[in-house]
Amino acid sequence: AQSVTQPDIHITVSEGASLELRCNYSYGATPYLFWYVQSPGQGLQLLLKYFSGDTLVQGIKGFEAEFKRSQSSFNLRKPSVHWSDAAEYFCAVGPYNTDKLIFGTGTRLQVFP
Amino acid sequence: DGGITQSPKYLFRKEGQNVTLSCEQNLNHDAMYWYRQDPGQGLRLIYYSQIVNDFQKGDIAEGYSVSREKKESFPLTVTSAQKNPTAFYLCASSIRQGAVTEAFFGQGTRLTVV
Repeated sequence: AQSVTQPDIHITVSEGASLELRCNYSYGATPYLFWYVQSPGQGLQLLLKYFSGDTLVQGIKGFEAEFKRSQSSFNLRKPSVHWSDAAEYFCAVGPYNTDKLIFGTGTRLQVFP
Repeated sequence: DGGITQSPKYLFRKEGQNVTLSCEQNLNHDAMYWYRQDPGQGLRLIYYSQIVNDFQKGDIAEGYSVSREKKESFPLTVTSAQKNPTAFYLCASSIRQGAVTEAFFGQGTRLTVV
């Protein structure tokens, strides 16, 4: 069965520090992968997506993610975190040719000044 | 502006009452979804609909019902059979880009049972 694991429930970083949020997936074929961000009490906003091609994808707000098939990972990175990046981040996988996304349990990011 | 509108933003319900959450989209998307979000559990799929007049149960459909009479609308009813309805509910719609689904979300409805 397809699944997504986000091993870190809560991460705290200082403003200006680099960030990496981990995401591992379990899927038998080529996955389609997404990262979403959610501010408190809000809906989810798409940060970036990977369908095929270049394994390093760029998203909005200065985020990027790298697809590594050998590690079944799709980690999200940002070189310098801003206080406004504090939010919850969800990784999701979209199995081929279905309309259903499978979400991880989320990582809550806290940013200290 | 195109988007997904959920209403109300906050909803209070007495135990034993049914309540309906509204979700409207003007993105011309075929598929629509309802997710429930609880702390530490991510998003769990309640129901989804790929076309008008058709919908399927998700992972946690018990105690919920939906209808899809129009492409733009996908209301969710939380019935009295739902034992623990207090949660944040998110509606989404999606479009396929090739064979892949990209989902767009509403701002959510927070339901509290009092």
